[in-house]
Amino acid sequence: EAGVAQSPRYKIIEKRQSVAFWCNPISGHATLYWYQQILGQGPKLLIQFQNNGVVDDSQLPKDRFSAERLKGVDSTLKIQPAKLEDSAVYLCASSLEDRDNSPLHFGNGTRLTVT
Amino acid sequence: DQQVKQNSPSLSVQEGRISILNCDYTNSMFDYFLWYKKYPAEGPTFLISISSIKDKNEDGRFTVFLNKSAKHLSLHIVPSQPGDSAVYFCAASPMNRDDKIIFGKGTRLHILP
Repeated sequence: EAGVAQSPRYKIIEKRQSVAFWCNPISGHATLYWYQQILGQGPKLLIQFQNNGVVDDSQLPKDRFSAERLKGVDSTLKIQPAKLEDSAVYLCASSLEDRDNSPLHFGNGTRLTVT
Repeated sequence: DQQVKQNSPSLSVQEGRISILNCDYTNSMFDYFLWYKKYPAEGPTFLISISSIKDKNEDGRFTVFLNKSAKHLSLHIVPSQPGDSAVYFCAASPMNRDDKIIFGKGTRLHILP
């Protein structure tokens, strides 16, 4: 079984620039998550999709962050404009069925550095 | 407000001995708990979980214990091996399964030769 694919692996941008991350979940996984992990912290959920609908985006800074999963498969997360405090690893995860408490399967993440 | 707390940022254990990683939670609505392991430059991988109806779950060298009255869980690894050196995250999920999984800050485990 192929894992969760994310790209790019690393990205360095200047503040006020924009950036986009891409995620392809495990085939057949209906639920997709974007997490932000700041150095020294645990992953923090930004947004959760069930198929192509948003289940939870309560911690997504909507003035600068946006995410979509148009066809219910792959997803993009965008930051525009970026701030220094957005430097973090952005992790995408997927699971089979949210209500089953099926474990999250994470991708390797995108490490973003904002200078 | 940290609902899942891992108070030890790091832990060093001799190879072959037992590693015990601790986790405390504050939200009594949590009913499902998970441990994830993370190597550098990789995403977290699922290790073991436990439901609140149990007080112990075992999988090979890994055992998770849950003390609901103390709102405390622990992960035991025995015997510890060099490949166990990683960051371990404790996570909790509430009874309303539409709610998000909350992660602790992680504990870095070093297995000494």
